Amino acid sequence: ETGVTQTPRHLVMGMTNKKSLKCEQHLGHNAMYWYKQSAKKPLELMFVYSLEERVENNSVPSRFSPECPNSSHLFLHLHTLQPEDSALYLCASSQARDSAYGEQFFGPGTRLTVL
Amino acid sequence: AQTVTQSQPEMSVQEAETVTLSCTYDTSESDYYLFWYKQPPSRQMILVIRQEAYKQQNATENRFSVNFQKAAKSFSLKISDSQLGDAAMYFCALGGGADGLTFGKGTHLIIQP
Repeated sequence: ETGVTQTPRHLVMGMTNKKSLKCEQHLGHNAMYWYKQSAKKPLELMFVYSLEERVENNSVPSRFSPECPNSSHLFLHLHTLQPEDSALYLCASSQARDSAYGEQFFGPGTRLTVL
Repeated sequence: AQTVTQSQPEMSVQEAETVTLSCTYDTSESDYYLFWYKQPPSRQMILVIRQEAYKQQNATENRFSVNFQKAAKSFSLKISDSQLGDAAMYFCALGGGADGLTFGKGTHLIIQP
């Protein structure tokens, strides 16, 4: 595997379910990100991790819980979601937090549907 | 707060023609970076071109070039000799040096054969 991978690619869940999204980067980067992409809206930054420490929350509801066990893996744990949480969730990584160090590399995303 | 505005929800261009996508931004940072990302249908978002704000020279990458007007806070993308593979959503993004990127809503580019 190369680049940034995400699993699952598609997820349908009920509002009472608990599920997790997984992201893995094979680029040796030190920063990882979760974004939410909804139709007709800009990408919204949800969480930032740098060297496995969370540095940005952006007022995301507590029903979204991130976890970064090491610099290569990032999870987004989901519980008691709402239908408006249905969106494409994108993971990205970069060499460092500072955008001076270059671009962010994105995964293919997980298409989440909450029923 | 940083903002990025893409005023063209959709653009259409004939194959082999040139098209320009608009982007304006606002930031209080003195040092920042601007990006254009491409997201083809059902495919991963990839970087098209990057511009450092401290550089006066406009960035170019093969058929892609930017017109960076720092005073006007404008960062447009020009695609020359448009190809069918250029069809995608194009996102303008602003990096303020700290965390993450601020994205615009995107422009859907249609290439007509």
